[in-house]
Amino acid sequence: QSALTQPPSASGSPGQSVTISCTGTRSDVGDYNYVSWYQHHPGKAPKLMIYEVTKRPSGVPDRFSGSKSGNTASLTVSGLQAEDEADYYCSSYSGSNNRYVFGTGTKVTVL
Amino acid sequence: EVQVVESGGGLVQPGGSLRLSCEASGFIFSHYYMHWARLAPGKGLVWVSDVSGDGRSRNYADSVKGRFTISRDNAMNTVFLQMNSLRAEDTAVYFCGRGGVPNAVDVWGKGTTVTVS
Repeated sequence: QSALTQPPSASGSPGQSVTISCTGTRSDVGDYNYVSWYQHHPGKAPKLMIYEVTKRPSGVPDRFSGSKSGNTASLTVSGLQAEDEADYYCSSYSGSNNRYVFGTGTKVTVL
Repeated sequence: EVQVVESGGGLVQPGGSLRLSCEASGFIFSHYYMHWARLAPGKGLVWVSDVSGDGRSRNYADSVKGRFTISRDNAMNTVFLQMNSLRAEDTAVYFCGRGGVPNAVDVWGKGTTVTVS
């Protein structure tokens, strides 16, 4: 089971928007609406930002939004803030033996 | 406060074993799937294993199947990961998490570091 493909990096100035893509296959992203997104500041616990493609857990700002089209999911961060600088990982449920597959990770830099 | 705290990491030689623990608090432990994932140096997150609330259903990534065993003690609010036949490529920070929403982890710990060398 290969990892989902994400761009290695993305950046934007404060107040701008950045969108991160997450490309999988029909066996994971394409077949299931179980895409989630995690924010990870190195040395800290990962944080769930989006689940079931578009849902935000309580406490996550509505600046974070998710979507999916075909085999590709996306996370958009609007109104970038300094604290959004982190690594972001997508994940999808998979119908294969490996139940869950993560993305390769994207480092978001706030310029 | 809902939280999970991992422990048990350390330095181990190739072929050796290690047992990780993850103690949960602030929620009804037996109601939730629990997961392990890992983050190797310079690489991305990888899902490792999960276990159902009653412990009956256990799943593993192909890369650890046959070497790692997940278990839980609901009386102790703790999930374990027994890691045998360790390899250099198992070196990583291991995170424990609660499956609190459908097919996602809503609470993670800060991780425990395993070094195989």
